[in-house]
Amino acid sequence: EIVLTQSPATLSLSPGEGAALSCRASQSVNSYLAWYQQKPGQAPRLLIYDASNRATGIPPRFSGSGSGTDFTLTISSLEPEDSAVYYCQQRTNWPPGLFTFGPGTKVDIK
Amino acid sequence: EVQLLESGGGLVQPGGSLRVSCAASGFTFRNFAMSWVRQGPGKGLEWVSTLSGGGDRTYYSDSVKGRFTISRDNSKNTLSLQMNSLRAEDTAIYFCAKVGCYGNSDFGTCMDVWGKGTTVTVSS
Repeated sequence: EIVLTQSPATLSLSPGEGAALSCRASQSVNSYLAWYQQKPGQAPRLLIYDASNRATGIPPRFSGSGSGTDFTLTISSLEPEDSAVYYCQQRTNWPPGLFTFGPGTKVDIK
Repeated sequence: EVQLLESGGGLVQPGGSLRVSCAASGFTFRNFAMSWVRQGPGKGLEWVSTLSGGGDRTYYSDSVKGRFTISRDNSKNTLSLQMNSLRAEDTAIYFCAKVGCYGNSDFGTCMDVWGKGTTVTVSS
């Protein structure tokens, strides 16, 4: 079973600052790594898929990078509405239908 | 507009059963794998199960294997999750999600559309 670890657990930053959220896998996940944003009381929203591809309608301040076991979600200039919990998710290479989520990083905008 | 709408949540006693469903619209349902993801109170997201578009391949997390069964009716654009032998730790919001992101894989690598969820509470 592939385990995802996210760091930091919590991030408190000011508007306009940049943020780097880390996701590490216990073994290689190739590039099958996605990032989601979840605000209180809402369903998750897909931000990034296959490590570095922005989903439809996602602002360019969100970007993803990495491969293998180490991945990063970067938010270049935080806005107040970016306050949320961010989760990474991987899909196994084989069998193809097994998914895992990381524990999440909470981002607070001061 | 692509939409997923879950239903069927409620209160059930430990050891009991419940069936939750998800009605899909706005896309060709049979062409896409579908998943269930849950979120316990104050907790993170937990993948539960995935079913291929044709319904021939099923995948389960270890925490629900042998107790939950995922199924779909492609004629009615409906996904279901039959939950048996329920435990207190199964208490959660259950989200239905469409598997997407087919750029690098023919199965899909992400969940690109989510429903609002249905709440399941297991308690005596």
